Amino acid sequence: EVQLVESGGGLVQPGGSLRLSCAVSGFTFINYDMIWVRQAPGMGLEWVSYISSSGSTIYYADSVKGRFTVSRDNAQNSLYLQMHSLRAEDTALYYCARNPPFRFDYLGPGTLVTVSS
Amino acid sequence: QSVLTQPPSVSAAPGQKVTISCSGSSSNIGNSYVSWYQQPPGTAPKLLIYDNNKRPSGIPDRFSGSKSGTSATLGITGLQTGDEADYYCAAWDNSLSAWLFGGGTRLTVL
Repeated sequence: EVQLVESGGGLVQPGGSLRLSCAVSGFTFINYDMIWVRQAPGMGLEWVSYISSSGSTIYYADSVKGRFTVSRDNAQNSLYLQMHSLRAEDTALYYCARNPPFRFDYLGPGTLVTVSS
Repeated sequence: QSVLTQPPSVSAAPGQKVTISCSGSSSNIGNSYVSWYQQPPGTAPKLLIYDNNKRPSGIPDRFSGSKSGTSATLGITGLQTGDEADYYCAAWDNSLSAWLFGGGTRLTVL
């Protein structure tokens, strides 16, 4: 069974940092591209970042470019999102998702990030 | 990044049919595949349609997808109260090197 479980969310002050993790199981992690998607309270889905299966290709949404860094450890079946200079508008439920070509077929339950003083 | 354009809401009676549109441009929908996601309240999104019109295993054939030019459509027939959810379209944008989502459409089954 494919499973993705995010962790690392929490309450952080504006300007602070957090590192999100996504532990995966049930599939061969190294074969899949991965993405992070977020959803602010009461809002729609917003793509955050993409990383290729090897980690050699990475893309970011303009809203997080220069502040967030995506990475993966294929030996540990884990995906990460390092977030710096957090803003109130980064408050959201963050999902990791498996990214076969042109779709996301599995998402985790999400981890909540709240940026507030 | 810009979003794909969806109607904010649609509604129909149980048993009826509804369609949800998703409008983009030549750099995304026009030159990529569209996928659709269903998100009931309080749950994570679930893949409903991929490659414009394919259904993952377990998705009933009441759900269908189509694409024409720079627009795509999700169709749902035989509406059930359990279909009440937010629906999102998504496509890769080759110019932006970014995934784009529609703003979401809330389906109400009256």
